[in-house]
Amino acid sequence: DADVTQTPRNRITKTGKRIMLECSQTKGHDRMYWYRQDPGLGLQLIYYSFDVKDINKGEISDGYSVSRQAQAKFSLSLESAIPNQTALYFCATRESANTEAFFGQGTRLTVV
Amino acid sequence: KNQVEQSPQSLIILEGKNCTLQCNYTVSPFSNLRWYKQDTGRGPVSLTIMTFSENTKSNGRYTATLDADTKQSSLHITASQLSDSASYICVVSASAGANNLFFGTGTRLTVIP
Repeated sequence: DADVTQTPRNRITKTGKRIMLECSQTKGHDRMYWYRQDPGLGLQLIYYSFDVKDINKGEISDGYSVSRQAQAKFSLSLESAIPNQTALYFCATRESANTEAFFGQGTRLTVV
Repeated sequence: KNQVEQSPQSLIILEGKNCTLQCNYTVSPFSNLRWYKQDTGRGPVSLTIMTFSENTKSNGRYTATLDADTKQSSLHITASQLSDSASYICVVSASAGANNLFFGTGTRLTVIP
């Protein structure tokens, strides 16, 4: 099993719909992240969490919200999806500030 | 401003040939630099880590270099294989700040037979 699992892997949704992307990890790490990847751009940080009670906005949090249900679970929601949120979304975990980031397989989201 | 720039954006090479990818950064204070490989449709996977005191590190056919003075790193791939076709992302960690990871836009490498 993968250390970081994202569901769904692919999703097509309509403009205005609410959608949730889920992430679970078996690394036992406290730090979890959600990134967005667009063609030609580096990964952009949406939200991050350093423990269950800690939620922080990243560079591009507008239009997104997150929930840290447990140490191992971190979900990303789009309350009202819009076409420019079409992108590849990655969840990642790290043990501490300077350690390796482990990424999930990604969720390809298309908003039509 | 903390930035990571990679070149070239894309590269096509023949199987068996060598290639070198470049990464320049302005991240400060610097902690470490990692090269990640991202296969199409997959998440990035770390290939190697470079810390301030390291100049060269090898991982099989991959050799990374770091010049902390000029803030440049390179990833050299020797005797390329078809499976090396992927995007290679340079990621720099700052030693301060809660959001301390800075990503390059990647180099898309295609190895052709």
